[in-house]
Amino acid sequence: DSGVTQTPKHLITATGQRVTLRCSPRSGDLSVYWYQQSLDQGLQFLIQYYNGEERAKGNILERFSAQQFPDLHSELNLSSLELGDSALYFCASRHDDGAGEQFFGPGTRLTVL
Amino acid sequence: DAKTTQPNSMESNEEEPVHLPCNHSTISGTDYIHWYRQLPSQGPEYVIHGLTSNVNNRMASLAIAEDRKSSTLILHRATLRDAAVYYCILRDEGGNLIFGKGTKLSVKP
Repeated sequence: DSGVTQTPKHLITATGQRVTLRCSPRSGDLSVYWYQQSLDQGLQFLIQYYNGEERAKGNILERFSAQQFPDLHSELNLSSLELGDSALYFCASRHDDGAGEQFFGPGTRLTVL
Repeated sequence: DAKTTQPNSMESNEEEPVHLPCNHSTISGTDYIHWYRQLPSQGPEYVIHGLTSNVNNRMASLAIAEDRKSSTLILHRATLRDAAVYYCILRDEGGNLIFGKGTKLSVKP
C-alpha cells in the first residue's frame, strides 16, 4: 500500500459525458502527478501540481483539466468523453517536486461506452 | 526528454539473478536514471534510482556504466512476485517521469 488513494476504482460512462477522478496523496506530500495508461499509448504523464499550483504539463488534452485543493487532494476532470479516453488513470505523489521516488495509487479504470 | 531502449521481454528462472539492461546513449549530465516496475493490475512502483555511482537497496541493485550511456537493474534472486514490466526512465532534476514501453519480465518456477 503506497498511501495514495484514488476513487472511484472503476467508472463506466457514455461518450460525451463528464467525469471527475479523485486522488488523495500520502500524508504530507505536496506534489501530485496524473498519468494515463492505455493499451496503445502506454503510461503517459498528464499534469503535475505542487502545493496547489500547476507545475508541469505533459500530454494532457484540452478536454481534461485538473486542480489541487488546499487540503492537497487533487481532482482530474475529463469532459466530452470519447471512446479513446478509456484507460487506467493513475495518480502519484511526492513530498516535494524533486527527482526522487513517486508513490503511485492503485488507479481508476475508466470505460467509455 | 532523453530516450531509453530496453528489450521488450525477458525470462528468468525463480531464485536466479536477473540482469535487466537499459541503453540511454543521449543521457545528459544532470539526468537521473530511475527504475520503476508495474505488477499486473497495480500502479507503478519505485525500484531504485541513481546518477553516477552504483546503488543498492533492499529491492535491487543498479549498475551504471562509467560513461553513463547504459545501466543494468539487477534482481539478485528472482521470485514469482518479481514478474512485472520494468521501466527504465531518465529524469532531469525537477523533471517528470516519461515512461517507455519497458521490459516484461517473466519468472518461471
